[in-house]
Amino acid sequence: GAVVSQHPSRVICKSGTSVKIECRSLDFQATTMFWYRQFPKQSLMLMATSNEGSKATYEQGVEKDKFLINHASLTLSTLTVTSAHPEDSSFYICSVGRAGASTDTQYFGPGTRLTVL
Amino acid sequence: DAKTTQPPSMDCAEGRAANLPCNHSTISGNEYVYWYRQIHSQGPQYIIHGLKNNETNEMASLIITEDRKSSTLILPHATLRDTAVYYCIVRDTTGNQFYFGTGTSLTVIP
Repeated sequence: GAVVSQHPSRVICKSGTSVKIECRSLDFQATTMFWYRQFPKQSLMLMATSNEGSKATYEQGVEKDKFLINHASLTLSTLTVTSAHPEDSSFYICSVGRAGASTDTQYFGPGTRLTVL
Repeated sequence: DAKTTQPPSMDCAEGRAANLPCNHSTISGNEYVYWYRQIHSQGPQYIIHGLKNNETNEMASLIITEDRKSSTLILPHATLRDTAVYYCIVRDTTGNQFYFGTGTSLTVIP
């Protein structure tokens, strides 16, 4: 499998500030990265698909101007939660995969716990 | 949208086999079935995946029915560390996205 890291693992911020979360693929070049959000006692919800070198594709209902995604390289994607509010408090998880592979498996990072006060 | 249905919870005695069912009656011919598990406050962990044939690896076995409308994940000798939420996912082949359902919360009992 692939090794995926996320930074930070936990962040607490004040309402109105922006928070950046990094997702790194440590042992292979990920052409595609995915961002998920998980509220307590709920399942993972896909937020967006990020392809290296192109704009991210957001799922319906996810505000692209609020959740900025930058797939800067084949090993790094960042998610910036802009003007965070308490309702954005959640567990954010990224995954990496190889685009175009029919048997592609996604490998997930450990997640980032965001708490907005 | 998720294309799978799983029981919300199951218990299994330690050392016994855990059989986790999943229904995916609308699966199309080229869609794979994936299984992941998530231990509390961690990212999902890949377990196994398959298309038509049964699959086995060091973690589990995957049994897919002939009509592919359902599958069963088998953990042959459950341990306490297997307590987790298990997700069955039918992989979208157009964009490779995974849409998670509600999963099955498996509790392994000593």
